[in-house]
Amino acid sequence: GAGVSQSPSNKVTEKGKDVELRCDPISGHTALYWYRQSLGQGLEFLIYFQGNSAPDKSGLPSDRFSAERTGGSVSTLTIQRTQQEDSAVYLCASSLVPGTGNGYTFGSGTRLTVV
Amino acid sequence: GENVEQHPSTLSVQEGDSAVIKCTYSDSASNYFPWYKQELGKGPQLIIDIRSNVGEKKDQRIAVTLNKTAKHFSLHITETQPEDSAVYFCAAITGNQFYFGTGTSLTVIP
Repeated sequence: GAGVSQSPSNKVTEKGKDVELRCDPISGHTALYWYRQSLGQGLEFLIYFQGNSAPDKSGLPSDRFSAERTGGSVSTLTIQRTQQEDSAVYLCASSLVPGTGNGYTFGSGTRLTVV
Repeated sequence: GENVEQHPSTLSVQEGDSAVIKCTYSDSASNYFPWYKQELGKGPQLIIDIRSNVGEKKDQRIAVTLNKTAKHFSLHITETQPEDSAVYFCAAITGNQFYFGTGTSLTVIP
């Protein structure tokens, strides 16, 4: 597609439920990043995928968070047993060549609200 | 790892005045410094960037300066307009990772 697509755009879930957030990167982009942005805060790095390499999971805040990227394209971020503090906007970005900023583009994000 | 600090956190200017946002970084290996504008309900959008072999770059009303020795870079917006109101993020790239500042909420008062 023309840009990075994230779905759903908004998600309201009950505390304790699992949620899946989806990211469709720009076609051909080998690098994919997930970030969390809490209200009025900066961007917190979660996880980074590059091609077929093992992902950099160093930013995942707990073992309730996981992500996968199938076929080097679409990525899913899963949050298990959601807590109220998980409420935030989850942003995905992809880039053509990692480390250069070449084509680095954000999606519009998924706003997650845990009630 | 890299540490990026951004100031101020909030900034209000009168329409037509200039706005300056400053960032510092810690890792001398960082070599690419983009700036993003985030409007309400949208993802950050790249507005300008600079690489470590360049000291200044300008695009119409927006300019970025980089001082590698001091490890700081700045965003300059001249002749501000109400549509410039948004949150601005700086970032530094080291290796494959982007390190973001905490953002500046800019309000341009008509």
